[in-house]
Amino acid sequence: EAQVTQNPRYLITVTGKKLTVTCSQNMNHEYMSWYRQDPGLGLRQIYYSMNVEVTDKGDVPEGYKVSRKEKRNFPLILESPSPNQTSLYFCASSVLPGGWGELFFGEGSRLTVL
Amino acid sequence: QQQVKQSPQSLIVQKGGISIINCAYENTAFDYFPWYQQFPGKGPALLIAIRPDVSEKKEGRFTISFNKSAKQFSLHIMDSQPGDSATYFCAASIGGSQENLIFGKGTKLSVKP
Repeated sequence: EAQVTQNPRYLITVTGKKLTVTCSQNMNHEYMSWYRQDPGLGLRQIYYSMNVEVTDKGDVPEGYKVSRKEKRNFPLILESPSPNQTSLYFCASSVLPGGWGELFFGEGSRLTVL
Repeated sequence: QQQVKQSPQSLIVQKGGISIINCAYENTAFDYFPWYQQFPGKGPALLIAIRPDVSEKKEGRFTISFNKSAKQFSLHIMDSQPGDSATYFCAASIGGSQENLIFGKGTKLSVKP
């Protein structure tokens, strides 16, 4: 089954404790992206990757890091989480970068930073 | 100029009614306009998309209407059902480019039985 898998789905952590949210896709997609979803603000892009070893900042990259060492994986790293990073996070992938490509989303990772 | 403005933020419709969600954009280079549907606890999923060479696209009860001169597009859900209750996001991009998809802020639709 074609899918984007995120882990963990739910996480409660404390300020400053480094965490990683993993994302893996099994569709051989070149393009991958991370979004955060907050009430009233919609989907905001954090980082994206056009291909292996190619990553770029989205609209809200501060406080986040990513890496793309393999085509299928695109982990999101919070080096020192803060309460304002409490949010619902989505990973997405697409066969085409940007326009025209259908974005396939994971089921989301709800993060709470205390 | 990269924004996509979506309205309303929330919408309550009776079962059997018509749900209408509107989006407006500024960048005339946009030529791909998808709508994503998100059910509670799930990620968004592509619902329907349109390119500006047509003014309307229909898939079942869902129709996109596109007005190129007004730089607006809208989603109409006919005979709305409680199962349509979800958050809907419009989006826009420049097809074939490496520009990212630009999302509207979403509309939470509730269809009452």
